[in-house]
Amino acid sequence: AQKVTQAQTEISVVEKEDVTLDCVYETRDTTYYLFWYKQPPSGELVFLIRRNSFDEQNEISGRYSWNFQKSTSSFNFTITASQVVDSAVYFCALSEAFDKLIFGTGTRLQVFP
Amino acid sequence: DAGVTQSPTHLIKTRGQQVTLRCSPKSGHDTVSWYQQALGQGPQFIFQYYEEEERQRGNFPDRFSGHQFPNYSSELNVNALLLGDSALYLCASSLVGGGSYNEQFFGPGTRLTVL
Repeated sequence: AQKVTQAQTEISVVEKEDVTLDCVYETRDTTYYLFWYKQPPSGELVFLIRRNSFDEQNEISGRYSWNFQKSTSSFNFTITASQVVDSAVYFCALSEAFDKLIFGTGTRLQVFP
Repeated sequence: DAGVTQSPTHLIKTRGQQVTLRCSPKSGHDTVSWYQQALGQGPQFIFQYYEEEERQRGNFPDRFSGHQFPNYSSELNVNALLLGDSALYLCASSLVGGGSYNEQFFGPGTRLTVL
C-alpha cells in the first residue's frame, strides 16, 4: 500500500533558523514520484518540487533544499534561514499511476519574527 | 494564461442536501482530478476525469460523482450531504502525455460547510 507519513504536526522557529521537515513514504512500485507542496492560509496548493524514484540527487533552490534517500524511504525538506513568509502548511506527496497524489497529513510551520 | 479556477469559493449546505462544485482546468489541460481536504488533514484523492470518463477513483462512496464536459471543465456532485463532508474541495488539472509524470496544477478550492 502507498502511504506518506509526516510525523511532525507543527514546528515553530524564530526567523533565520534552519528547519527540516521530515517525510517518509511507503510504496511497492519501483517507479514513483515524490513532491512537496506549500499551502498558505489562502488554501491553494503551491508546487515546490518533484523528484522521480531514479534520481536521488539532492537539490537546492535558493533557501530550499531536499534530501532524497531511497534506502530509508525519506524525502526531507530543509529551509535555510527561515523567514516569516515561509509560515504555511507543507505537504509531502507520492504519485505512482495516473498522476493520483497521495498526501501526508502535513506539517504546520510557524516562523516568528 | 488562466490557471485552474473553481466555483463557488464558499458554500453552506444542510445535511441531506445535494451540492455541485465546478472546476475549469488550466488552458491546454485535458484531465481533471478532485481532492477532499478535511480540516487539519492532507488532501484525499476522490477521482480523476479524462476524455469525459472517470479514469480512477479513490475510496469515496457513490454519493460522490462527477462529470467532465467536452471543454474539459468538470463538476463534482455530492448527494445526501453529511456533516463529515465539510471540507475544502480542490481541483487539479493536468495534460495527459506518454511516459513521464503529468504535473498537476491546483485551483484555490471550494470550502463546503455542512450544517
